[in-house]
Amino acid sequence: KNQVEQSPQSLIILEGKNCTLQCNYTVSPFSNLRWYKQDTGRGPVSLTIMTFSENTKSNGRYTATLDADTKQSSLHITASQLSDSASYICVVRRGSSNTGKLIFGQGTTLQVKP
Amino acid sequence: NAGVTQTPKFQVLKTGQSMTLQCAQDMNHEYMSWYRQDPGMGLRLIHYSVGAGITDQGEVPNGYNVSRSTTEDFPLRLLSAAPSQTSVYFCASSYSTGTPYNEQFFGPGTRLTVL
Repeated sequence: KNQVEQSPQSLIILEGKNCTLQCNYTVSPFSNLRWYKQDTGRGPVSLTIMTFSENTKSNGRYTATLDADTKQSSLHITASQLSDSASYICVVRRGSSNTGKLIFGQGTTLQVKP
Repeated sequence: NAGVTQTPKFQVLKTGQSMTLQCAQDMNHEYMSWYRQDPGMGLRLIHYSVGAGITDQGEVPNGYNVSRSTTEDFPLRLLSAAPSQTSVYFCASSYSTGTPYNEQFFGPGTRLTVL
């Protein structure tokens, strides 16, 4: 079954600390993996997109890793800020076309406290 | 560019009422889609379109209709609202050709409550 599982479900950290969010998937065939940030009451916004051949991709303080062999990805947030408080969603595109089905994880809710 | 816009932001319906959720994009994207987001679940695809005049069903299409008469607009119609359709609805758009890095842009969402 094509699934995307994220952990932890929720996380609370202090401002300035680092954190890592996990994503495991069983989607096949794999096209690419995306991380989105969704602020409360807003639509998801793309952070990174990685294909099969990419291991690491950064976007400012956000660094995503991908291990296509073990079907695992992580999103590392460095020096967290209050504005990082949001839900982070891992999404895997299935198939080889650019309109292949997107399979969404349930998201990890991150709260950054001062 | 305004990106992807959705109206209304909030809506309360009674069971059995019908309504249309509006979605528009100004990026000339071929691909548009509707998702619903429920607590504890990932976004689920309702309907999608790969271009004007072409629509297809997603994962949870029952109770919803769509049409795509122009590239810019992709309205979602609830035929006879049910409490199970209480959800947050997101419209999204992207290019359908090109590289795997085609980014999908989401609208701000419509929060619908069916009583």
